[in-house]
Amino acid sequence: SQQGEEDPQALSIQEGENATMNCSYKTSINNLQWYRQNSGRGLVHLILIRSNEREKHSGRLRVTLDTSKKSSSLLITASRAADTASYFCATGPLYNQGGKLIFGQGTELSVKP
Amino acid sequence: KAGVTQTPRYLIKTRGQQVTLSCSPISGHRSVSWYQQTPGQGLQFLFEYFSETQRNKGNFPGRFSGRQFSNSRSEMNVSTLELGDSALYLCASSPGGGGYEQYFGPGTRLTVT
Repeated sequence: SQQGEEDPQALSIQEGENATMNCSYKTSINNLQWYRQNSGRGLVHLILIRSNEREKHSGRLRVTLDTSKKSSSLLITASRAADTASYFCATGPLYNQGGKLIFGQGTELSVKP
Repeated sequence: KAGVTQTPRYLIKTRGQQVTLSCSPISGHRSVSWYQQTPGQGLQFLFEYFSETQRNKGNFPGRFSGRQFSNSRSEMNVSTLELGDSALYLCASSPGGGGYEQYFGPGTRLTVT
């Protein structure tokens, strides 16, 4: 079963607009990560935020984490057609050593040129 | 550094057969995780190996097994294939320990007929 719920399931925007994706999860976490997947290929790591962090930036990406609400958001600013992909949040459980990640269902982002 | 490699990339098997998939992690990475991705269930954690030991296991039947060798390369095996095993199988490596980002391979697309 999935840990997280992602919202929206699909998002279609124009190039240059911002895209916001939300993720909610159920159990206590050590960290939350966001990944991108293009057309059924392997996942690419975007950003990792630890449970004691509230916000993190990487280039055009901004991630927030609210552990009290068990939720996170990913903001992509000034989107490009190349950002078209599926985006997944994944949580690293708190009481678990190692690399186990629990993924959400993903958001399909379409950026139209 | 070379990325995570998975072989084969595509595989077609018949129900009842068995299959072995291979994953070579990034040099120096000691943790290898396996995930199954299907349209219906999304990305699900199968198991994780660290220093040749299974450290975490997901909720899959015993038909799914794996191992890791001393050079950190990993294999997963599925015996008595079922139609529902058709999926993209993704391998990911990380340096070790919890809280690390994972680096994914391109996946093996398994089709069971």
